[in-house]
Amino acid sequence: DAKTTQPTSMDCAEGRAANLPCNHSTISGNEYVYWYRQIHSQGPQYIIHGLKNNETNEMASLIITEDRKSSTLILPHATLRDTAVYYCIVTRLMKTSYDKVIFGPGTSLSVIP
Amino acid sequence: DAGVTQSPTHLIKTRGQQVTLRCSPKSGHDTVSWYQQALGQGPQFIFQYYEEEERQRGNFPDRFSGHQFPNYSSELNVNALLLGDSALYLCASSLKSGSGVSYEQYFGPGTRLTVT
Repeated sequence: DAKTTQPTSMDCAEGRAANLPCNHSTISGNEYVYWYRQIHSQGPQYIIHGLKNNETNEMASLIITEDRKSSTLILPHATLRDTAVYYCIVTRLMKTSYDKVIFGPGTSLSVIP
Repeated sequence: DAGVTQSPTHLIKTRGQQVTLRCSPKSGHDTVSWYQQALGQGPQFIFQYYEEEERQRGNFPDRFSGHQFPNYSSELNVNALLLGDSALYLCASSLKSGSGVSYEQYFGPGTRLTVT
């Protein structure tokens, strides 16, 4: 079972910030939070990841609460091309292999003109 | 720099047959994971290969097997195909680091398998 819960769907007006929440209340100290997105008929695309500090890259920002039980992915200026299913995943990095990566159903984000 | 490539793009098979799907990882990557994605669902982890060995496995029967070659490319084999095996099969590659630093996975476009 997925270790995260996300809203099934969200809408966002084009040009506005899209804030996608994720709950991971059972996260362990050595588990990272990853975000991926999947545009229709394509493979998932990595967006960002973090352990406990907030992170920012050219695609998005990741805000992780101090207790690490939830996080928010922020797309600062959503465009129509950001319409996709967004997956929040928690996983460990083990010394000899990765932990199983479990995808939930994700959040279907629709950016509206 | 080529990303993750998968072949074939589409495949139609009959129940009971066997199928082999292929994946070439992104240049410089050494770890390959395979996922099954049914329509309308998130990808389901099948297994992961590193140093030519299966390292992690999801909840899939033994009909699903794989292999990783010395050049890091990988194959997914499915025997005795069932109608329920119809799905998009995704390959993802990543770089294992002994330092424990986390790296993202790069996904290929997938192989669409239809079992009739």
